[in-house]
This record gives sequence, structure tokens and C-alpha cells, in this order.
Amino acid sequence: DSGVTQTPKHLITATGQRVTLRCSPRSGDLSVYWYQQSLDQGLQFLIQYYNGEERAKGNILERFSAQQFPDLHSELNLSSLELGDSALYFCASSEGTSNQPQHFGDGTRLSIL
Amino acid sequence: ILNVEQSPQSLHVQEGDSTNFTCSFPSSNFYALHWYRWETAKSPEALFVMTLNGDEKKKGRISATLNTKEGYSYLYIKGSQPEDSATYLCAFLGYNAGNMLTFGGGTRLMVKP
Repeated sequence: DSGVTQTPKHLITATGQRVTLRCSPRSGDLSVYWYQQSLDQGLQFLIQYYNGEERAKGNILERFSAQQFPDLHSELNLSSLELGDSALYFCASSEGTSNQPQHFGDGTRLSIL
Repeated sequence: ILNVEQSPQSLHVQEGDSTNFTCSFPSSNFYALHWYRWETAKSPEALFVMTLNGDEKKKGRISATLNTKEGYSYLYIKGSQPEDSATYLCAFLGYNAGNMLTFGGGTRLMVKP
């Protein structure tokens, strides 16, 4: 058990809808990272927050947004969903900077019908 | 676009065999290299974070070396066991990348009993 909690585990919705994925980091970790793993693709970095502030941004679509709250949990919001957004979304956390290991949650599997 | 390559893509070995695989990354602007182990239906688990040229890290039967000047890292598994079957991912962090890890495609290891 990594100590990182992601909810829900599975989400099935339709095109055009909006969903929110939630992540609670490991106790004491200030950084939260979001990743997307689509079919036949590796882990793609989306965005990182550190202690409530955005620190790094990858190839995150404009339809996607995230935030980290004062209690350090984070939410990833995906809107105007398309079939291609179907993927496994991972959250990871670390104590601080990226020369520290990241601890991954079990992921949320999003299926768009 | 950063090029992080892992080879081979997949590897089948017999129980008891020792094995190794490679992660190649840009040799300029190196900051850190991460290794993760990802078992099927689970989440990635941190193995090592390597930051110094010539670094060598060990965890049980698994060890890793780092050459930042030529841009490669080797992961070794001594006396492979069926429970070592997993995908092994490396991820590169450059100085100019903020905190964004770029993952390789992984090496899928299958150990036959």
C-alpha cells in the first residue's frame, strides 16, 4: 500500500460529460502529480502541484484542469469528454522535489462510451 | 521532445537467470533518473532515484548503475524469481524540465518458473 488514495477506481461516462477524479496524497507529502496512461502509450505527465501551487505542466489539454486544496488533496477535472480521453489516470505524491521517489495510487480507470 | 528509450521492450528469462536492461536518456541537463517497478493490475512502485554520475544503488537482488555523461542507466536483477515479473520503467528529469518526469516505454520482464 503506497498510502496514496484515488477515487473512484472506475468511472464510466459519455462523451461531452465532465468528471472529477480525486487524490489524497501520502501523509506528509506536499507534491501531487497527475499522469495519464492511454492504450498502447506510456505514462504521460499531466501536471504537478506543490503545497497548493501549480509547479509543472505537461501536455495537459485545455479541457482538463486540476487543483490542490489546503488539506493537500487534489482533484483532476476533465470536461467535454471525448472517446480518446478513455485512459487510466494515476496520481502520485512525493515529499517535495522530483529527486525524491513518487508514490503512486491505484489509478482511476475512465471509460468514455 | 525528450527521448527516453528502454531496451529491450520485453524479456523472457528462466527462474534463477540474472538479467539486465537499459535506459537511455539525454546526456545534457541531467538532474535525476528514477526507476519504477510496475506489476500487472497494480500501481508503479519506486525502486531507485539516482542523481550522481557513477551512482550505484541496490535493493535486495535488484541493482542499478548510472552514467550521466553517456546518458544510460542499467538495471540488474540477480537470480530472477517469478515474482520479479513486471514492467520496469525509467523516468528522466532534466534541469530545465521543472518537475516533469519523462518516462520510457518500459521493459516487460517475464520470469518462467
